[in-house]
Amino acid sequence: DVKVTQSSRYLVKRTGEKVFLECVQDMDHENMFWYRQDPGLGLRLIYFSYDVKMKEKGDIPEGYSVSREKKERFSLILESASTNQTSMYLCASRLAGVVEQFFGPGTRLTVL
Amino acid sequence: AQKVTQAQTEISVVEKEDVTLDCVYETRDTTYYLFWYKQPPSGELVFLIRRNSFDEQNEISGRYSWNFQKSTSSFNFTITASQVVDSAVYFCALNPGGYQKVTFGTGTKLQVIP
Repeated sequence: DVKVTQSSRYLVKRTGEKVFLECVQDMDHENMFWYRQDPGLGLRLIYFSYDVKMKEKGDIPEGYSVSREKKERFSLILESASTNQTSMYLCASRLAGVVEQFFGPGTRLTVL
Repeated sequence: AQKVTQAQTEISVVEKEDVTLDCVYETRDTTYYLFWYKQPPSGELVFLIRRNSFDEQNEISGRYSWNFQKSTSSFNFTITASQVVDSAVYFCALNPGGYQKVTFGTGTKLQVIP
């Protein structure tokens, strides 16, 4: 079974802090994704990565950056957290050439 | 541009009732994939089904069935004899062929009342 894990289920940070959200998958998937989920808006793509050291902006990249130094790990970085970044963050991965994505359990981030 | 519309925000049914979740999509691509995911209260999205644009056969898996109609750009999901464990948020999603990005609908929250 594909396993996608996220470093925290719940996180509380203060405005202006630098925040790291980590995602690890154990199935050697090339593609990894970061989404945020907000009520009434569904899932919106922040960034995705085709492979190691490769990244592409999604629909809402502003205020975020990412890092993919190793194939199994994809990090989402909030350089200076703001209250409007309070959300549920979901990581996903998939094998290149296969369309299904597999999701982690999510991190619910609150920025005070 | 790609778009997925799930017009039903919330649905409540009594256990054992049948329920249909609607999904309407828009795309200019001739090759695309459609998905349904389930998000239980635990938060993790669980993949339920994938359909490609060349396969309009309806599918049944236990109490779940899917009706794909290209003529109306719809990919509806029916749960027969609903159970409390079906309570979740359900997302419909569209992935145009050859592209990396998936477009999700806004989700339908299903509550099954015992």
